[in-house]
Amino acid sequence: DTEVTQTPKHLVMGMTNKKSLKCEQHMGHRAMYWYKQKAKKPPELMFVYSYEKLSINESVPSRFSPECPNSSLLNLHLHALQPEDSALYLCASSRSGTSGFDEQFFGPGTRLTVL
Amino acid sequence: QKEVEQNSGPLSVPEGAIASLNCTYSDRGSQSFFWYRQYSGKSPELIMFIYSNGDKEDGRFTAQLNKASQYVSLLIRDSQPSDSATYLCAVENFNKFYFGSGTKLNVKP
Repeated sequence: DTEVTQTPKHLVMGMTNKKSLKCEQHMGHRAMYWYKQKAKKPPELMFVYSYEKLSINESVPSRFSPECPNSSLLNLHLHALQPEDSALYLCASSRSGTSGFDEQFFGPGTRLTVL
Repeated sequence: QKEVEQNSGPLSVPEGAIASLNCTYSDRGSQSFFWYRQYSGKSPELIMFIYSNGDKEDGRFTAQLNKASQYVSLLIRDSQPSDSATYLCAVENFNKFYFGSGTKLNVKP
């Protein structure tokens, strides 16, 4: 099973709302990632969790709050977002979370619209 | 300074031809190199990865890596209309994955 699942597929929220994105993998991978992708742009790395610890935060605003409850689950909590945060949010996972030689698999993404 | 550079295209090839996609990267410490295919509105799909200098073949796809020139390429033989997509080059260094802006490939029937 090489599947990463994400819920919901689509999310519309107002700027005062609080919502969460969920990502799950059952491949035994120990690294999980959040990316943001705007239209016609490449994915931009937001956060990396390695062995359930936050290892990389690419200077993401605090209105995005990641959480890794266990090795299979990754959440992204959203609060007070701006319309420019509207994008496709991609979750990915890879085997070891250590440097090098580690293929990364993406989930289908959550299409987020902030009104 | 961009980490990973790709020609944005579009690259148009006739059906059955070879499509050649190129990518350069700036960090000599990069260890792993990946090609993803992304259809419009969908998430990236891993199609090839390469770690060592030289060629790696998988079906109709061949990835080529030249670390001295900091250059990665993807050849698609016998291109099909279903290969029409954006191809993203990604480079990994210390668990950070950097993506190029992608090359849009159009395969014309």
